[in-house]
Amino acid sequence: QQQVKQSPQSLIVQKGGISIINCAYENTAFDYFPWYQQFPGKGPALLIAIRPDVSEKKEGRFTISFNKSAKQFSLHIMDSQPGDSATYFCASPGAGSYQLTFGKGTKLSVIP
Amino acid sequence: DVKVTQSSRYLVKRTGEKVFLECVQDMDHENMFWYRQDPGLGLRLIYFSYDVKMKEKGDIPEGYSVSREKKERFSLILESASTNQTSMYLCASSFFETEPYQPQHFGDGTRLSIL
Repeated sequence: QQQVKQSPQSLIVQKGGISIINCAYENTAFDYFPWYQQFPGKGPALLIAIRPDVSEKKEGRFTISFNKSAKQFSLHIMDSQPGDSATYFCASPGAGSYQLTFGKGTKLSVIP
Repeated sequence: DVKVTQSSRYLVKRTGEKVFLECVQDMDHENMFWYRQDPGLGLRLIYFSYDVKMKEKGDIPEGYSVSREKKERFSLILESASTNQTSMYLCASSFFETEPYQPQHFGDGTRLSIL
């Protein structure tokens, strides 16, 4: 059973700062690493994803970095805003499956 | 916009009851999923289905079953509810691909309490 280790469990960042969340996976058949964002009372929604053969993807203030040799990937949120306060989940496919295994989540609080 | 609708936001049931959680999606997605979300444990896959009448066990299927009689509807069944099944249940759907690149679209969840 695939495991995805996500850290930190919670994160407090000042407005304008950089938020960094890290994930490590065991084995995967597909180099596809999505990040989901969940606001209170809502279901998770896809925020950004990185697909095979790409080591970094940037969308606005959000960047995913992927280190295949270390089996790690991370989410960077630049110029963090109070509206970014949410729970973030990383995910990875398993070794023999295209189903996703999710990390345990990081609760981000951006304070003014 | 894709809409995944879960029939109840909150549900309170008693130990031993048979409980049905319903999920409907309106985007003609082939894949549908049931997860449970618990603090500190993240999202854990209970069951998924990639076609009508097809189902596959996820990571924590014990105590649950599912039904998919129509493409748009996926039901999660707790055969005999127990207190350790108190949780937030999330339904999701996606298009089918042989690779996992299609995003999953989630409903807003059903918070189930078993007394």
